[in-house]
This record gives sequence, C-alpha cells and structure tokens, in this order.
Amino acid sequence: EAQVTQNPRYLITVTGKKLTVTCSQNMNHEYMSWYRQDPGLGLRQIYYSMNVEVTDKGDVPEGYKVSRKEKRNFPLILESPSPNQTSLYFCASRAMGQGLSNEQFFGPGTRLTVL
Amino acid sequence: AQSVTQLDSQVPVFEEAPVELRCNYSSSVSVYLFWYVQYPNQGLQLLLKYLSGSTLVKGINGFEAEFNKSQTSFHLRKPSVHISDTAEYFCAVSEGYSGYSTLTFGKGTMLLVSP
Repeated sequence: EAQVTQNPRYLITVTGKKLTVTCSQNMNHEYMSWYRQDPGLGLRQIYYSMNVEVTDKGDVPEGYKVSRKEKRNFPLILESPSPNQTSLYFCASRAMGQGLSNEQFFGPGTRLTVL
Repeated sequence: AQSVTQLDSQVPVFEEAPVELRCNYSSSVSVYLFWYVQYPNQGLQLLLKYLSGSTLVKGINGFEAEFNKSQTSFHLRKPSVHISDTAEYFCAVSEGYSGYSTLTFGKGTMLLVSP
C-alpha cells in the first residue's frame, strides 16, 4: 500500500530535550515536506526537500532541522524543543516533474507536546 | 508569491442542507488548486483537484468545486451534507506547469453539521 508513515504518532517531552520525528514514504517520491498545523493558522511549511541531500526552508523553519540522506526518509529534528513548538506535525510527499499535478500525500500526523 | 484565503473559519449547517465553503487565491501564474479534508483526529485526505480543462471538478463524497479564473476563486460545494461531513476543509494552491512548486494552504474552514 502506498503510504507516508510517521513515528511517533504522539509525543510528550520537556523543554530542551532533543527529539526526532521520522517520516518515510514508499512511493519513490522525490519531494518531501514537513508542515505544522496550529488552530486558526492552517498548515505552515517548515522545510522541504526536492531530492536526496537537497533541503530548503519553508515558512517557519526556526527551531527545526531536517536531513535527506535517503530518498524515502525525511526526519524532522528538534534540537532544543520549546513550548511554542507544541503542535500537530505532518509529513508529506509527492512526485516531481513537468506536467504532474503537485498533489501531496500526507502522513497521519504526529501530535507533539513540549512542557 | 501565491496565497490562499478561506473566508470562513467555521460554517455551521443542518444535515441535508446545501453548503458552500469559499476559497480565494492569488498568484501571478497559472495554478493548480486542491481541497483537502481532515476528519477529527486524522490526517489530510485529498477531496478534489483542479489542474486544467473543465472548471467544474467533482470529488469524493459528493463534493464538487468550481474554478473561476476571473474571480480567482475555487469554492467547494455539496448539495446535501451528512453528519459524517463534519471535518476541517483546507484549500491549497500550487503554481502550475512546474513540478517544483510548493503547496500553500489556507487557514481552514471547520464544517459543523448538526441534526
């Protein structure tokens, strides 16, 4: 089954404790992206990647890191989480190329609480 | 730069009534347009998309949307809603004809269907 998976689905942590949220897709998509969803703000892009070893900032990159060492994986790293990073996080992927629809496929989400 | 405005943050409606969720976008180039739905405690699911061709697009669960280039709108409609349509709906835009464009979301509209 074609899918985007994220782990963990739920996470409660404390300020300053480094964490990683994993994201993996099995559709051989070039493009992967991380979003955060907050009430009243919709989805805002954190980082995206158009290929292995190619990453770029989205709209709200502060406090986050990503890496793309393999095509299928795109982990989100919070080196020193703070309470304002409490949010619902989504990973997404899509195929790239001229004429394609740009439709993104989303993971199930990771609800992060930083105390 | 592209942007999306969803004019209503919340739309309450009675079961079996018609509904319209409004979406306006801005972009300097041709666009692809999407509606995603997020059911409670779930991820995002594609409802429908406009790429080109007919301006009336039909999606899943009886929803449809009409692309209006002159008004830069992509409103979502359903002639008769069910309780199970209660969800948050997101409009999104991507600059078309390029596989390299990012997806920009609106802030979402919560559809609340009551008996």
